Amino acid sequence: AQSVTQLGSHVSVSEGALVLLRCNYSSSVPPYLFWYVQYPNQGLQLLLKYTSAATLVKGINGFEAEFKKSETSFHLTKPSAHMSDAAEYFCAVSFREYGNKLVFGAGTILRVKS
Amino acid sequence: DTEVTQTPKHLVMGMTNKKSLKCEQHMGHRAMYWYKQKAKKPPELMFVYSYEKLSINESVPSRFSPECPNSSLLNLHLHALQPEDSALYLCASSRQGLAAAYEQYFGPGTRLTVT
Repeated sequence: AQSVTQLGSHVSVSEGALVLLRCNYSSSVPPYLFWYVQYPNQGLQLLLKYTSAATLVKGINGFEAEFKKSETSFHLTKPSAHMSDAAEYFCAVSFREYGNKLVFGAGTILRVKS
Repeated sequence: DTEVTQTPKHLVMGMTNKKSLKCEQHMGHRAMYWYKQKAKKPPELMFVYSYEKLSINESVPSRFSPECPNSSLLNLHLHALQPEDSALYLCASSRQGLAAAYEQYFGPGTRLTVT
């Protein structure tokens, strides 16, 4: 069955350090991939998406993600963390055969230390 | 404008009450969704409307009743809820129904507490 796994329920980085949030999917066919961010008591905001146009995808707020088919991964990175990046991040996938049904990973809470 | 609005922001209701959640978008999107999100969990899909027709019901109990009066509006009618239904209810929309490539835009959610 198709699924998505986020490694690490909590990630802590220092302000200015590299942010790396991991996402792996399970599927024989490359899916569409999305990263969303959720601040406390708010809805989800789209950071970026992969839809097969380019393997390196740039998003909002300085985030980017690279699609690696051989590793079935879509990890999210940001070169320099800012205090305002502290939030929960969800990787999500959708598959052509299931239409627009999103499958979410369990989420990773990012903490940024000053 | 990439905004999805939801009302009310907070709702407290008793188990015998009837209430409704409302969602609105003016992006011309033709697919709209209801999700339920419990604390420290990802959103769980409840319903999908595509071109104003219910296309997906994820085996949601009948005490939740969705309605799509037109392409911009989505309602969720609530009746005889249980305390375990307390959660953040999120509405989302996307450009085209049943197309996996289109991203979903989420509203801020309604925080529901059932007493």
